[in-house]
This record gives sequence, structure tokens and C-alpha cells, in this order.
Amino acid sequence: QQPVQSPQAVILREGEDAVINCSSSKALYSVHWYRQKHGEAPVFLMILLKGGEQKGHEKISASFNEKKQQSSLYLTASQLSYSGTYFCGTEMADYKLSFGAGTTVTVRA
Amino acid sequence: DAGITQSPRHKVTETGTPVTLRCHQTENHRYMYWYRQDPGHGLRLIHYSYGVKDTDKGEVSDGYSVSRSKTEDFLLTLESATSSQTSVYFCAITQRGLRGSSDTQYFGPGTRLTVL
Repeated sequence: QQPVQSPQAVILREGEDAVINCSSSKALYSVHWYRQKHGEAPVFLMILLKGGEQKGHEKISASFNEKKQQSSLYLTASQLSYSGTYFCGTEMADYKLSFGAGTTVTVRA
Repeated sequence: DAGITQSPRHKVTETGTPVTLRCHQTENHRYMYWYRQDPGHGLRLIHYSYGVKDTDKGEVSDGYSVSRSKTEDFLLTLESATSSQTSVYFCAITQRGLRGSSDTQYFGPGTRLTVL
């Protein structure tokens, strides 16, 4: 049930863009995105509900394709502060989340 | 931070000993969760609770038990710790409002457990 994230890692220069994908084989009620800095707890970024909506946080946005059970996280004009590991969490309407293995993002000056 | 604390924050123990980790929240959240985090696996759900004395298993519950006698405390017990249980353990709560309108899961600071 664990969703699959890709890529596993990405290296960016400041100002570049990146896309992180999250896919599930199960029908989803919602997708949650988190960012975790080294040695810290994951921090909630946004939640997307079925219906194909998009949301944004700073210059980070996401989409949810309900038919394909896929979500994508878009990092636009990346900043040094965007470095960290990004996790998607998928919910199948049972109040539990299954998390992907994470995508490590490194932004360099 | 949703008023979540975990104790202890670090612990080193020996194989075969029992260990209890505590999660404490101050905002009366109904749902509480225990996860473990290991490299390459992300966060995996151990147990969760949907109310006082109401708990259920997650995907990696073998070797763990939980108890919730008060809304604010959710305890995770390793009955006989093994080296494979060396991990970082996170407690989380779900802040729920109208369905979907404010469902956010907040994590505690984590407990780093080493089993020798």
C-alpha cells in the first residue's frame, strides 16, 4: 500500500524547478505532502483531496490526478530553504496515512 | 507544533529489555499515531488510536503494543526490544475539522532509540 515516489533524489541550483511524483495502486481519498529537514520532524505542507485540485505553499504547488491515483509536487524557482526530504502520504478514507520512501532535494547556491 | 511532546528524546537500551515511549499532547486531539522512520522506508505506521482505549494496528505492529488511558497520552511499548527496532519514532496527531477542510497531521519531535 506504500505509495511510490520518484525521483529518489534531485539536486538543483537556486532558481531551478523540480517535480516530485507520488503514485498509488489504490484508490485515494487524499494526498498529503510533508518536508523534513535533517534531524527534525516532518512538517506539513499541504493536503489535496480527490477532485483534481491544486494547492500552493510559498512557490511550492501540487496537483492530484484522482483517475490515475497520482500526485505531483512542483518546486518552482527553488530556494536554499527548499532543501530537505519530501514525503507524500496517501489516505484511503480510513484516517491512516501511508508514506512514500521520500525524495531528497538538495538546492545549491 | 500542535502541543506534542515525546519522551524520552534519546534512549539506548539492550536487547531483551522492555521500553516505553510516551507521546503527550495538550490540545485534546482524538487521533494519535506512532510511526517509525528508517532510511529507505520513509514513515511506517505502527499503531494508532481513535480515542481513549480505542487503538488499532498499523503496518508494522509486530513486537509493539500501545495504550491510551487518557486523551493526552499515547504510550508505545516494545515488550522485548530487538536490534531491528533501532529507529527514530515519531508520534503524530490529526487535527480534524469538517471532512477534508482541515485534516492535517502534525508530528512530535521524535525519539531516537538504539537497541544494542
